[in-house]
Amino acid sequence: KNQVEQSPQSLIILEGKNCTLQCNYTVSPFSNLRWYKQDTGRGPVSLTIMTFSENTKSNGRYTATLDADTKQSSLHITASQLSDSASYICVVEDGGDYKLSFGAGTTVTVRA
Amino acid sequence: NAGVTQTPKFQVLKTGQSMTLQCAQDMNHEYMSWYRQDPGMGLRLIHYSVGAGITDQGEVPNGYNVSRSTTEDFPLRLLSAAPSQTSVYFCARELTGKCLGNQPQHFGDGTRLSIL
Repeated sequence: KNQVEQSPQSLIILEGKNCTLQCNYTVSPFSNLRWYKQDTGRGPVSLTIMTFSENTKSNGRYTATLDADTKQSSLHITASQLSDSASYICVVEDGGDYKLSFGAGTTVTVRA
Repeated sequence: NAGVTQTPKFQVLKTGQSMTLQCAQDMNHEYMSWYRQDPGMGLRLIHYSVGAGITDQGEVPNGYNVSRSTTEDFPLRLLSAAPSQTSVYFCARELTGKCLGNQPQHFGDGTRLSIL
């Protein structure tokens, strides 16, 4: 069964600091990897989508990297703000049946 | 709400009751889907639709029915609610569906459902 594992489960960071979230997957064949941000009480919102040929993509202060060989991705948040407090979800699309596998998410809390 | 409106936002049901969760989109997207989100788990696909009149089962379809009579609406029905169906339910739309990929899903803000 295809799996997407995210780490850590949760973390707390101080405002202005950087942090990096990890996503490891076993989905094969690979189509694309997505990162979503989910604010409390809201639905997930897309941050980035990366295909096999892309190894980095940015969206403002969010930068996602992808190593398709090792099946790892990271999401880096630069100069964190209080509004970055949310759950970040990694999603991988299977290139064969196009099914999406969702990670359980990393909960980030940014404190002043 | 990313062009996806879910109603109600909250609902409490008794075991055995039935209800319909509503989902409407205003972007004329073909692909729509329903997920449930439970603590410590990733979103799980319940049912999906690739266009009006076409629906199919996802990963966890038991206990749920869907229909897609129009492009705009994709209601999810709980036939006989069970405590195991206590969850947060999300509806999503997608521009091109599975054929082309690389398109983000746009989610509604969810329906929080408690079954007593």
